[in-house]
Amino acid sequence: QKEVEQNSGPLSVPEGAIASLNCTYSDRGSQSFFWYRQYSGKSPELIMSIYSNGDKEDGRFTAQLNKASQYVSLLIRDSQPSDSATYLCAVNGAGYSTLTFGKGTMLLVSP
Amino acid sequence: GAGVSQSPSNKVTEKGKDVELRCDPISGHTALYWYRQSLGQGLEFLIYFQGNSAPDKSGLPSDRFSAERTGGSVSTLTIQRTQQEDSAVYLCASSLSAEFQETQYFGPGTRLLVL
Repeated sequence: QKEVEQNSGPLSVPEGAIASLNCTYSDRGSQSFFWYRQYSGKSPELIMSIYSNGDKEDGRFTAQLNKASQYVSLLIRDSQPSDSATYLCAVNGAGYSTLTFGKGTMLLVSP
Repeated sequence: GAGVSQSPSNKVTEKGKDVELRCDPISGHTALYWYRQSLGQGLEFLIYFQGNSAPDKSGLPSDRFSAERTGGSVSTLTIQRTQQEDSAVYLCASSLSAEFQETQYFGPGTRLLVL
């Protein structure tokens, strides 16, 4: 049984701060990792994907992957109120074509 | 270009009735996925298609659920004899292929309410 765990939150940060979202996964064979953002009442949209250990940066977003620790995180710098949403971690493995999603962490950025 | 589209956007039905949900993937995407999201829950995988074949149906909750895809494009998810616990948002996603590294792009979802 593949599992992806996230703290449900809410994680509250002030505007301009760094938000740190964390995710752990159970399947050591996992190969690809995705962060999706989901606004209330909307469908998930891709923020970042990462496949190799280390950091991957895209604008204000940085994804970090540590396969040895089975841990993936998303950092959001200079958080804005518009970043308030639920962030879903999703994991896939070689030989698998289906993503396993965590239940998501709700982020609240206060002005 | 056009994204994934789903219809209807909302569906209210009575317990025991059948419903059909439609998904139109991004043009050129060969893989198509159905998920279900209940209130406060994560995304639950239902079924995926590679072309017109469904290699993985393991997520379908019961034999009341079925899906098909024709012409490698549009897919229909059918729920027979709906129950109140079927109430959820049904999300469709597509990707260029079913390779594990491909990004899945989601449609807006169909909100199903079974009374």
